[in-house]
Amino acid sequence: GQQVMQIPQYQHVQEGEDFTTYCNSSTTLSNIQWYKQRPGGHPVFLIQLVKSGEVKKQKRLTFQFGEAKKNSSLHITATQTTDVGTYFCAGDRGSTLGRLYFGRGTQLTVWP
Amino acid sequence: NAGVTQTPKFQVLKTGQSMTLQCAQDMNHNSMYWYRQDPGMGLRLIYYSASEGTTDKGEVPNGYNVSRLNKREFSLRLESAAPSQTSVYFCASSETGRGPGAFFGQGTRLTVV
Repeated sequence: GQQVMQIPQYQHVQEGEDFTTYCNSSTTLSNIQWYKQRPGGHPVFLIQLVKSGEVKKQKRLTFQFGEAKKNSSLHITATQTTDVGTYFCAGDRGSTLGRLYFGRGTQLTVWP
Repeated sequence: NAGVTQTPKFQVLKTGQSMTLQCAQDMNHNSMYWYRQDPGMGLRLIYYSASEGTTDKGEVPNGYNVSRLNKREFSLRLESAAPSQTSVYFCASSETGRGPGAFFGQGTRLTVV
């Protein structure tokens, strides 16, 4: 079954509005990673969160890792048309095999 | 740096035909992966390899085989293609257990008719 749940599946916002996508794991994670995939492109690594309660920022993007290391969120402030794409979270359980468990992604559409 | 290179970029197969998708990375990563991406389903892991000479099944391995030829190369083979295997296939690599995350190839868009 789905190991990492991500919601919402789709989000449509007007340029300038905020956007948040949420990720929940059924098990404790060693770390969580976030990826962005532009339409027609391939997933590109954005960031990795490792510590319980960690918060990281990249310009208008804020990433959080939950205290229990089972959930995470990505928040975009004042979206721009360049933010369009699908955002994926991927959980790492910390095994030596390096397997990632991807959420199904949130597809973000931004109206100008 | 080329990163992760996948070939071909596009392919059309007839049902029952076979083909091999090639993947090579030049980052000296230990781990390599094959995913398929279908609308609304996200990225589903087909097979992965934690090191040269080892492979493990992922979420959707049926109908596929893989070979970790050496540290650089990880190929995916469809022995008898079926329409259900129409998808976009991504190869990825990462340094096991360490950042900065996985690097993906450009993808192969496969259609089985």
